[in-house]
Amino acid sequence: EIVLTQSPGTLSLSPGERATLSCRASQSITSNYLAWYQQKPGQAPRLLIYGASSRATGIPDRFSGSGSGTDFTLTISRLEPEDFAMYYCQQFGSSPLFTFGPGTIVDI
Amino acid sequence: EVQLVESGGGLVQPGGSLRLSCAASGFTFSSYTMIWVRQGPGKGLEWASSIGSISSPIHYADSVKGRFTISRDDAKNSLYLQMNSLRTEDTALYYCARMGGSGDLDYWGQGTLVSVSS
Repeated sequence: EIVLTQSPGTLSLSPGERATLSCRASQSITSNYLAWYQQKPGQAPRLLIYGASSRATGIPDRFSGSGSGTDFTLTISRLEPEDFAMYYCQQFGSSPLFTFGPGTIVDI
Repeated sequence: EVQLVESGGGLVQPGGSLRLSCAASGFTFSSYTMIWVRQGPGKGLEWASSIGSISSPIHYADSVKGRFTISRDDAKNSLYLQMNSLRTEDTALYYCARMGGSGDLDYWGQGTLVSVSS
């Protein structure tokens, strides 16, 4: 069973700073089927990145994803006030079919 | 515009049943794999079940296997989750979502709340 670990648990930064979030898998992820989501309180998750590095429709280019195999990174180049939120990574394909990481909170 | 609207949540006693619905619009529903994801109060996201186009394949998380049944009605552009033998740990906000081409979930509803309590 694949397990996703996200670090750090909480990232305390200021607007304008760079955020680097890590997602590590306990085994290699099939075809880099790794996605990142942003969730704000009271809202549904929003897809940011799919296929490890492709931005979803309408996502600003300050968000970027990288990595392969077992190690993946979400980078926010310059934090905007609206970027302070919870971020989840998610894999598809290994048992269980979909797995989410525990999340990283990006706060001020 | 893609829209997913869940309904059917509510308060139920342990051992009870509920049927959740998700009404889809703005895309060719029958062509997509659809997913139920849940989020317990103050907790992270947990995949519950998925159903492919033409209702195959169907998969369940171990935590709901044997108690939940996913189904779809492509004529009505609707996704369902029949939840039986509910437990307190099933208390969560239940989201329906559409699966994109890389195993991602590209559209989500706003969720329907299920509370299991005596």
